[in-house]
Amino acid sequence: SQKIEQNSEALNIQEGKTATLTCNYTNYSPAYLQWYRQDPGRGPVFLLLIRENEKEKRKERLKVTFDTTLKQSLFHITASQPADSATYLCALEESGGYQKVTFGTGTKLQVIP
Amino acid sequence: GAVVSQHPSWVICKSGTSVKIECRSLDFQATTMFWYRQFPKQSLMLMATSNEGSKATYEQGVEKDKFLINHASLTLSTLTVTSAHPEDSSFYICSARSPGPQPQHFGDGTRLSIL
Repeated sequence: SQKIEQNSEALNIQEGKTATLTCNYTNYSPAYLQWYRQDPGRGPVFLLLIRENEKEKRKERLKVTFDTTLKQSLFHITASQPADSATYLCALEESGGYQKVTFGTGTKLQVIP
Repeated sequence: GAVVSQHPSWVICKSGTSVKIECRSLDFQATTMFWYRQFPKQSLMLMATSNEGSKATYEQGVEKDKFLINHASLTLSTLTVTSAHPEDSSFYICSARSPGPQPQHFGDGTRLSIL
């Protein structure tokens, strides 16, 4: 069966350190993988999109890697700040043009001052 | 840019009432809109995908007669929960996207509580 798994329900990290979040998937052939941030009671906010033929994408303090052999994406936040505390969702869109995006369960990140 | 407005942000109503939720893309044309449901501490569950001018595609297990979706224009989609019951209480979120490999832009959700 198809599955998207994100590492541990919650991740606590000290301010200034690099946070690394994991997204593993099985039985998908994603054309794109996306990362979103969701704050409590709000809709998700798009952060980064990476295509299947890209290995890495960066945006300011954010970095995403995509390994289609390992079926894994890593999401890094460098120099983490308390304001980075939120739930982070990975999402896969499969090839085929159907446009359906499936979301992972999310990882709650807490950056401790 | 890429702002999606969802209205209302919360609704409390009696069992048996029908509730309409609006989703508007304010500064871009959304050829596709998505409707999700989210339970506490769980991820987004896709309910249906709607393309402008055509019927919505519902996910397995979602009753299309219960959750009516209309996507009449490139900037507006509506979800109507018909004859709502307490088990329909949830957080409903819409998103919109342009054609191609584009991200989804989400509204801020509607908290629906059925008494």
